[in-house]
Amino acid sequence: AQSVTQLDSHVSVSEGTPVLLRCNYSSSYSPSLFWYVQHPNKGLQLLLKYTSAATLVKGINGFEAEFKKSETSFHLTKPSAHMSDAAEYFCVVSDTGNQFYFGTGTSLTVIP
Amino acid sequence: GAGVSQSPSNKVTEKGKDVELRCDPISGHTALYWYRQSLGQGLEFLIYFQGNSAPDKSGLPSDRFSAERTGGSVSTLTIQRTQQEDSAVYLCASSLDYSGSLEDQETQYFGPGTRLLVL
Repeated sequence: AQSVTQLDSHVSVSEGTPVLLRCNYSSSYSPSLFWYVQHPNKGLQLLLKYTSAATLVKGINGFEAEFKKSETSFHLTKPSAHMSDAAEYFCVVSDTGNQFYFGTGTSLTVIP
Repeated sequence: GAGVSQSPSNKVTEKGKDVELRCDPISGHTALYWYRQSLGQGLEFLIYFQGNSAPDKSGLPSDRFSAERTGGSVSTLTIQRTQQEDSAVYLCASSLDYSGSLEDQETQYFGPGTRLLVL
């Protein structure tokens, strides 16, 4: 069975400091992994995805994530937070391509 | 180009009434998904359509929920005899064909959602 655990329901960082949003997954197969962002009253937008190519994936807006099979993790990072990064972030796993399992989300607050 | 659109954007209904939610996927996208997002929860998979194949209905929470996709394009999610616990944001997403290769797995594009409130 596939599942995703986002370890922090809420993360708060100061503007200009690094961001770390944690995600662990379980999957019976080699999974594809995604991070989506949802700004208030906006639709979900893909940040980045891993599909068994390079383990370090770069996405939009300066975000990146590293797939670590030994740790079953896919943490999302950004070197320097911007006010516009404040949003809800979802980690997603899929191993069949036709079902996607979402984590419960991490709310990121950026303090000026 | 145009993204995924959903209507209505908001729907308030009385308990026991039926509601229909509409999704217009991106033109050419053969895969269509419905999800439900409740307050403080992640997205809950409801149903998946892929081309002309039989839909994957494994996520539908009860027989009050049904969905159809006409002509391989527009989809309608119907909730009969709504209950208060059905209150949520219903999201639709579309993607290109799943080719069978994880390398080619396509991205889902999400609509803005329909916010349903059952009184």
